[in-house]
Amino acid sequence: EVDLLESGGDLVQPGGSLRLSCAASGFVFERYALSWVRQAPGKGLEWVSSIRAGGMVTLYGDSVRGRFTVSRDNSRNTLYLQMNNLRAEDAAMYYCVKELWTYCGDDCYSISFDSWGPGTLVSVSS
Amino acid sequence: ELVLTQSPATLSLSPGDSANLSCRASQTLRGKFVAWYQQRPGRAPRLLTYGASNRATGVADRFTSGGTGTDFSLTISRLEPEDFAVYYCQHFDSELGTFGQGTKVDMK
Repeated sequence: EVDLLESGGDLVQPGGSLRLSCAASGFVFERYALSWVRQAPGKGLEWVSSIRAGGMVTLYGDSVRGRFTVSRDNSRNTLYLQMNNLRAEDAAMYYCVKELWTYCGDDCYSISFDSWGPGTLVSVSS
Repeated sequence: ELVLTQSPATLSLSPGDSANLSCRASQTLRGKFVAWYQQRPGRAPRLLTYGASNRATGVADRFTSGGTGTDFSLTISRLEPEDFAVYYCQHFDSELGTFGQGTKVDMK
């Protein structure tokens, strides 16, 4: 059974930094792409960042590009999100998710998120 | 930039009713399909359907998704009490992930 457990959420001041971790088990970690998805209180879901299986390809949403860095340690089955220069609008529950790639034709993959952690809460306030 | 627009924002129904949720994309999807998620209060979302109408593990067959191009749908037949929740559609092309804003299915 896939298990994802986030940690590292905390209250931080605007402009501060935080590193989130996600410990994974129940699947061959090094073979799967992973993402971070966040949800501000009372709001919808927002994709934040993704990292491919080998760790060499990383992607970011416009709202966090240049401030957040995603990384992974395949030897420790752990995903990370380094968050710098935090803003009030970054306050949210952060979910670690495992990607599911479904082949849909020539050079076509449909990507969904088939396993989710319970989330870790980040608050940004002075 | 891709935008997924879900409608309606809220659907008020009774147990046993059918729910029809819509997700419209602002452009033809490179990955062809959207995925659908259910989120109950205080819980993490869970994957319901993905690809060409595939149900995730453990998802009841009363959940059916469909659509192509820019128009997609999720149908929930014979609503059970545990189905009253918020539903999101999602697409991820090669560079960016996008969610719809959600449809809340609440009890009339």
